[in-house]
Amino acid sequence: GAVVSQHPSWVICKSGTSVKIECRSLDFQATTMFWYRQFPKQSLMLMATSNEGSKATYEQGVEKDKFLINHASLTLSTLTVTSAHPEDSSFYICSAGGLRTGELFFGEGSRLTVL
Amino acid sequence: QKEVEQNSGPLSVPEGAIASLNCTYSDRGSQSFFWYRQYSGKSPELIMSIYSNGDKEDGRFTAQLNKASQYVSLLIRDSQPSDSATYLCAVNFRSASKIIFGSGTRLSIRP
Repeated sequence: GAVVSQHPSWVICKSGTSVKIECRSLDFQATTMFWYRQFPKQSLMLMATSNEGSKATYEQGVEKDKFLINHASLTLSTLTVTSAHPEDSSFYICSAGGLRTGELFFGEGSRLTVL
Repeated sequence: QKEVEQNSGPLSVPEGAIASLNCTYSDRGSQSFFWYRQYSGKSPELIMSIYSNGDKEDGRFTAQLNKASQYVSLLIRDSQPSDSATYLCAVNFRSASKIIFGSGTRLSIRP
């Protein structure tokens, strides 16, 4: 299957700082990428759909000014958690794939801990 | 009603038995359905995809789809301890162009 790479895998930061997470499609071009968040023992919650060359589409309840998404190329989308707080601590996972088939390929995930 | 609904479990099945996982969805127009397996602390990995009514078999896994009942299931035959994980049902909500996940079912295979 296709390969999606995420970086960093782990990040610990102080409250109030910003953290950037990168998501790369390594062997295919992804016009659309999806960002999910997963709290412990809960399911994946779609945060936003990242569209290459245009603004991201955010799900209801997700603050677009706090979770900045940039999809500047066909192989890279970034999620920046601005002014992070402890409640933002979570497992962030990006994915890419085709809505035609619906099959998603996931990055390895990024575990964010805000102190 | 949740968009994609699963029993959270845990579901405990003896080794060698059949594990049956169920999922219902709300969007009648959905066309693509997926089962993902997620080990603790890891990203999900695709197990099965199904697009047509009926059964689809792949090794020890069988996915079953009934669009009229808005129901999709996953059967795991000859369950192994390595099958212990959380299984996520995912549905491509074409009406909204997004893939929605159920809350997942924790499966435990006891030796």
